[in-house]
Amino acid sequence: DAGVIQSPRHEVTEMGQEVTLRCKPISGHDYLFWYRQTMMRGLELLIYFNNNVPIDDSGMPEDRFSAKMPNASFSTLKIQPSEPRDSAVYFCASSPGLAGVTDTQYFGPGTRLTVL
Amino acid sequence: GEDVEQSLFLSVREGDSSVINCTYTDSSSTYLYWYKQEPGAGLQLLTYIFSNMDMKQDQRLTVLLNKKDKHLSLRIADTQTGDSAIYFCAERDTGRRALTFGSGTRLQVQP
Repeated sequence: DAGVIQSPRHEVTEMGQEVTLRCKPISGHDYLFWYRQTMMRGLELLIYFNNNVPIDDSGMPEDRFSAKMPNASFSTLKIQPSEPRDSAVYFCASSPGLAGVTDTQYFGPGTRLTVL
Repeated sequence: GEDVEQSLFLSVREGDSSVINCTYTDSSSTYLYWYKQEPGAGLQLLTYIFSNMDMKQDQRLTVLLNKKDKHLSLRIADTQTGDSAIYFCAERDTGRRALTFGSGTRLQVQP
């Protein structure tokens, strides 16, 4: 398996523009997570899905952020409108969701977002 | 809420052992993980330990867990320059799927 795939790897945009980040989880994994990494706040969970259904979106900063998972092999994180404080590295991770065992999360390479 | 804390920086000489420490507050933590992040890359799982274990060894890596003090450590034997990275401690309990991460410890290995 190719692992978790994210695109684009780098995104530079201007304040006010819409940004869409994409993720393809590992095939067969039931859980998908979106994290944000910044120097100030470290790694924060934004939202996660189980079998394409959002389970916990309490980490989504505000209404400008939205996430979807239309099928088991694709998820998007959208920011509209974007602001400079959204600049961060956004990671997608997936896990198999095995009950009773470690249920390890596997991370993608991340998307580095810069909002000017 | 849950909290995971780590020291920010550690510098060692090549060939020495490195010990990276982590403390957590959630007494329900069931699984504890160590991830490694190299510059410009995602997080790579190094190892994990269940809360009913005291120690786990995996080649050069040794994880020690003190449940009473809620203290986790990662020891890297014979540290190499390729071990230079940021190391994250993370925890979760059986009631949650999401991980809570520490702030990460930057390990610098001097030749």
